[in-house]
Amino acid sequence: KAGVTQTPRYLIKTRGQQVTLSCSPISGHRSVSWYQQTPGQGLQFLFEYFSETQRNKGNFPGRFSGRQFSNSRSEMNVSTLELGDSALYLCASSLFAGEQTQYFGPGTRLLVL
Amino acid sequence: AQTVTQSQPEMSVQEAETVTLSCTYDTSESDYYLFWYKQPPSRQMILVIRQEAYKQQNATENRFSVNFQKAAKSFSLKISDSQLGDAAMYFCAYRSADSGYALNFGKGTSLLVTP
Repeated sequence: KAGVTQTPRYLIKTRGQQVTLSCSPISGHRSVSWYQQTPGQGLQFLFEYFSETQRNKGNFPGRFSGRQFSNSRSEMNVSTLELGDSALYLCASSLFAGEQTQYFGPGTRLLVL
Repeated sequence: AQTVTQSQPEMSVQEAETVTLSCTYDTSESDYYLFWYKQPPSRQMILVIRQEAYKQQNATENRFSVNFQKAAKSFSLKISDSQLGDAAMYFCAYRSADSGYALNFGKGTSLLVTP
């Protein structure tokens, strides 16, 4: 069974631009979560989607948004990019929401110049 | 808010030896889940082991085992017969209903394996 896939793997943007990251979960998984990893803040939870509904959100500004499609694929969007948004963005999927184990994708490395 | 603390930023172990990585957490919940994830230089986060708080028996996965002390809120990872491929960043993580089951990670322990 294929793992979680994320595209693109690397991205360079400039301040003020917006970016969309994509995540395809493991086949059959319906929950997708997003995490931001930076050297300073470590791993921080962004949001979780289940059955096309956002069920949980971390402490990030409204510039960070996401959505999930009927096939469980998820996208994350960051508008008006700031230098501090440079990070590794990790997507994780699980069968259902709740206590199910999350399996991570390889991440998208975003650099904001 | 729950906090997860990994007090060892770096650890080193020789091949074939055993190493223990420490993790403590703070929670008022009685039902929760604990995880160890491994992140090698490729940055892919890989699940190592999972422990349910309601289970008294410590989880094991081949060379990896945990020492779960619920009263002490401690969750250490033991790696036996260490291999070069075990070199990675190891993250302890916690999740429970009161945080909507979001994974709450520690800062990580960098494990170096020497030949």
